[in-house]
Amino acid sequence: DSGVTQTPKHLITATGQRVTLRCSPRSGDLSVYWYQQSLDQGLQFLIQYYNGEERAKGNILERFSAQQFPDLHSELNLSSLELGDSALYFCASSSLAGATPTPQETQYFGPGTRLLVL
Amino acid sequence: QKEVEQDPGPLSVPEGAIVSLNCTYSNSAFQYFMWYRQYSRKGPELLMYTYSSGNKEDGRFTAQVDKSSKYISLFIRDSQPSDSATYLCAMSVWAGGTSYGKLTFGQGTILTVHP
Repeated sequence: DSGVTQTPKHLITATGQRVTLRCSPRSGDLSVYWYQQSLDQGLQFLIQYYNGEERAKGNILERFSAQQFPDLHSELNLSSLELGDSALYFCASSSLAGATPTPQETQYFGPGTRLLVL
Repeated sequence: QKEVEQDPGPLSVPEGAIVSLNCTYSNSAFQYFMWYRQYSRKGPELLMYTYSSGNKEDGRFTAQVDKSSKYISLFIRDSQPSDSATYLCAMSVWAGGTSYGKLTFGQGTILTVHP
């Protein structure tokens, strides 16, 4: 168990809808990262927050947004959903803001939320 | 062309075999190299890492980096059925006193070790 929790585990919804995925980082971790994993694209970085502020941005669609709250949990909002948004969405956390494999910057991944858009 | 290329396999080997997993990359700015292991229906977990050319050994696992060729490998000796998982290479950038939070992953190689 990595200590990162994600809810819900599974989500089934229809095209055009909006969903919110939730992530609670490991105790004490200030950084939260969101990744999308699909069969064709693999595991892709979406966005990172550090202590409430956006720190780095990847190939995140404009229909997607995220935020990190004062208690450090994070939410990823996906709107106007399309069939191609069906994927596994992972949250990861680390103590600091970087992405080196030092103990403070190692990213610990949650179990993921499996999203199916019908 | 993707920044990181990894053969997705699948790779099937008998128990006890030596497994070789590989990635190539195109971005010279990558300085940290990691291998993550992902079991079915779980999140990836960090298995090994290195940030210099050469070999790093940890038990049955050896990570190898050749920066001149932009090529990294993971070797698993005496493979076990419990090693059956997807193995993802990942890389990150260090730039002048700060590092960025983005990990760039390979596609992942599905490995099955059969008894």
